[in-house]
Formats: sequence, C-alpha cells, structure tokens
Amino acid sequence: GAVVSQHPSWVICKSGTSVKIECRSLDFQATTMFWYRQFPKQSLMLMATSNEGSKATYEQGVEKDKFLINHASLTLSTLTVTSAHPEDSSFYICGGGTGSSSYNSPLHFGNGTRLTVT
Amino acid sequence: AQTVTQSQPEMSVQEAETVTLSCTYDTSESDYYLFWYKQPPSRQMILVIRQEAYKQQNATENRFSVNFQKAAKSFSLKISDSQLGDAAMYFCALASGNTPLVFGKGTRLSVIA
Repeated sequence: GAVVSQHPSWVICKSGTSVKIECRSLDFQATTMFWYRQFPKQSLMLMATSNEGSKATYEQGVEKDKFLINHASLTLSTLTVTSAHPEDSSFYICGGGTGSSSYNSPLHFGNGTRLTVT
Repeated sequence: AQTVTQSQPEMSVQEAETVTLSCTYDTSESDYYLFWYKQPPSRQMILVIRQEAYKQQNATENRFSVNFQKAAKSFSLKISDSQLGDAAMYFCALASGNTPLVFGKGTRLSVIA
C-alpha cells in the first residue's frame, strides 16, 4: 500500500529553537497533505491542510507563523515548529492524500513525530 | 458542521470473540465517506475499512465489517475472532466534499487472552 515516511520519529529540543518535521510520500504523489496534532489519549486535531505549490490553509487557532508548512513537491511536505515552547510538546502526524481533499481518497499517515520541548 | 461521536471510551473483548464499536456522525452533505482507523501503541494510523455513503452494502475487510445505517447516521465496526493484535485505539472518521477528515475521540480496545 501507499507509504508516507515521516521523520524524525522523536525529537527533543530546547525552548526557543526550531524543529522541522518531514513527510515524504514514497510510492504515490500526495496532492494534499494534512497535518494533525495529537495530545495524549486524545483524538487527532487538524492543524492545517497543504496542497502542492500553494499556501497552506490553517485551522482556526493555529498560528501560521509558528507552524510553517511547506509543500514544495508532490512527494514532500514539511512542518517547522518555530521558536518552540514546552506547550508545543505533542505528537504530530501527517496524512497524505491523492485528491484535493480526503473525501474520496483515504489518507495515508506517517508514523508520527513525538516532539518534546524542554 | 460535521461531527463524529464515539460514545465508548474503552471496550474489552475476549480473544476469539466478537466486539462492536459504535460511531455516530452528523453531516449535511449527501455524499460522504466514513472510515475506521486503528492506532496501535506505535501510534501509526492504519486504515481498517471505509464506506461510501451512496453504497447500501456494508463494507467488509476480512474480520472487520461495518453496520452502516445511513438514516440513523450510525457507522459501527464489528471485529470478529478478535486477536491480541487488534488491541489499539480505534477512530471513526468522516470525510465529505472539501472538508478535511474529522475524527471521533476514539475507543480504546483491549483484547483479553
């Protein structure tokens, strides 16, 4: 099946630094990449939707200047957490789709990134 | 607004037995897809099964099947012959039109040997 490779799987960084998370679709072209955040024992909360070559659409309450999303190609999307703070510690997971939405194309998720900000 | 509700935070089942996880949803769209995703301790999201709203026939994938009741907006997942590897968080999700995938809060399934 379709595979999304997400790196790193686990990262610890100091407060104030930036962290980049990469998601690569290995055997399909991810027209759309969805970025989710998951707190312990909770569901996935959508942060933003990105389409290749265009600006990401952020959900209400998500700071676009803090969570920079780049979807420069059909196989690579990145999320950069800028000036990270302890409250940004969470599990981040990407989901790639081949359609313009997840409507008729099930998402293929990466393995997630556990971010800990000290 | 689209919502997905999973009313069972936790469920348990004996190995080899059958368990049903509940899910209800709400949408104003007439055409949509419903999904069940499994998230094991590794936290990888794995697609278990999906159902197209316009199809009346319930989807099945080996030991996994759904009971899709469109009028009641219900989409339950049945796991037959439960195995230890089925232990995980299960998320029900809804997608329609241009709305991103919306997830329920999840049901944690334990399988007892």
